Amino acid sequence: LAKTTQPISMDSYEGQEVNITCSHNNIATNDYITWYQQFPSQGPRFIIQGYKTKVTNEVASLFIPADRKSSTLSLPRVSLSDTAVYYCLVGLYSGGGADGLTFGKGTHLIIQP
Amino acid sequence: DAGVTQSPTHLIKTRGQQVTLRCSPKSGHDTVSWYQQALGQGPQFIFQYYEEEERQRGNFPDRFSGHQFPNYSSELNVNALLLGDSALYLCASSQTVYNEQFFGPGTRLTVL
Repeated sequence: LAKTTQPISMDSYEGQEVNITCSHNNIATNDYITWYQQFPSQGPRFIIQGYKTKVTNEVASLFIPADRKSSTLSLPRVSLSDTAVYYCLVGLYSGGGADGLTFGKGTHLIIQP
Repeated sequence: DAGVTQSPTHLIKTRGQQVTLRCSPKSGHDTVSWYQQALGQGPQFIFQYYEEEERQRGNFPDRFSGHQFPNYSSELNVNALLLGDSALYLCASSQTVYNEQFFGPGTRLTVL
């Protein structure tokens, strides 16, 4: 399983765009990159998944360079409710397959007024 | 449509006791995975059940066992509780082992 590295914590302000970068130097050819969000005392929630270039949905964008050794989760115009832990995962399937999902410590994003 | 549900919400046990946690998957899902999340850490995979069988197990001792019922609901059992078993236990369900996992709110277990 590819190891991921992401900042332990980040701070920003309401209305700003936030970019969280994840490094995954050993990503395999068939691996996908998936981001989850977790609020305190709740289970993680799927945000976005991508393989290469750019993916956008109603809550975030995911930028993946050509070498795929890193990825950047972009949250546009954040609000206080975006304060959460964000996990970057790399693996063959969005559900992790039979081995389950491998989470690191994630990035604790704090949004201030 | 109800999502993944877990019971109980909170639980307090003492060392050496046994505990059973329960999970009902999202409608239409047949695969259930269990995770342990210690304070300040990411969730750690315990095991996964599909077709009432344990498909894969993470790095957890045999004190952790589980079961999946014909209606796809699942139980996690932990025997001989240790203080270090205190954590948030998360259940996730998916439609087959390959698709996106949906997590429940978790059960907070405190071992005294």
